[in-house]
Amino acid sequence: DAGVIQSPRHEVTEMGQEVTLRCKPISGHDYLFWYRQTMMRGLELLIYFNNNVPIDDSGMPEDRFSAKMPNASFSTLKIQPSEPRDSAVYFCASTGTVSDTGELFFGEGSRLTVL
Amino acid sequence: AQTVTQSQPEMSVQEAETVTLSCTYDTSENNYYLFWYKQPPSRQMILVIRQEAYKQQNATENRFSVNFQKAAKSFSLKISDSQLGDTAMYFCAFMKKMTGYALNFGKGTSLLVTP
Repeated sequence: DAGVIQSPRHEVTEMGQEVTLRCKPISGHDYLFWYRQTMMRGLELLIYFNNNVPIDDSGMPEDRFSAKMPNASFSTLKIQPSEPRDSAVYFCASTGTVSDTGELFFGEGSRLTVL
Repeated sequence: AQTVTQSQPEMSVQEAETVTLSCTYDTSENNYYLFWYKQPPSRQMILVIRQEAYKQQNATENRFSVNFQKAAKSFSLKISDSQLGDTAMYFCAFMKKMTGYALNFGKGTSLLVTP
């Protein structure tokens, strides 16, 4: 299996622009997570889905952030408008209830820089 | 909410030596998982070891082992025969078993293995 695939790997944008981060989970996994990593706050859970349905979005910072999972093989995290404080590495992760080991499989992350 | 504390922001160890990274957590749950993840400079999050709370026996994976003290809510990671490739950020993480696999991470410990 190819693992969790995220794109883009790096994104540099200007304040006010819309940013879309993409994720393809491991085939067969029914849970998908979006995390944000910063030096100050560490790894924070933003939102997670089960069977494409958002379960907990309490970590989404504000209305500028939105996430969707239109099907089992694709999810997006959108920031509109972006601000410099959104600069971070955004990770997508997936896991499956079948294995029930609790292990999350992470993508390589998308490093976002907002100027 | 569960909190995970890693009190050592940075550590260093010489090659072939043993090092222990500490982690404490706070929870009222009885059924949970604990994990150590490694993040090398490549940014990839890699599972090192996992422990189920109901198991009294400490988990071991080759050179990596844990000291799980449930009553003390402590979960330290011991790395034996340290190798240069062990240089990375190490994150302790907590997962409540019935919450859909969402992980709460500590702030991490940066480990440097020197020749």
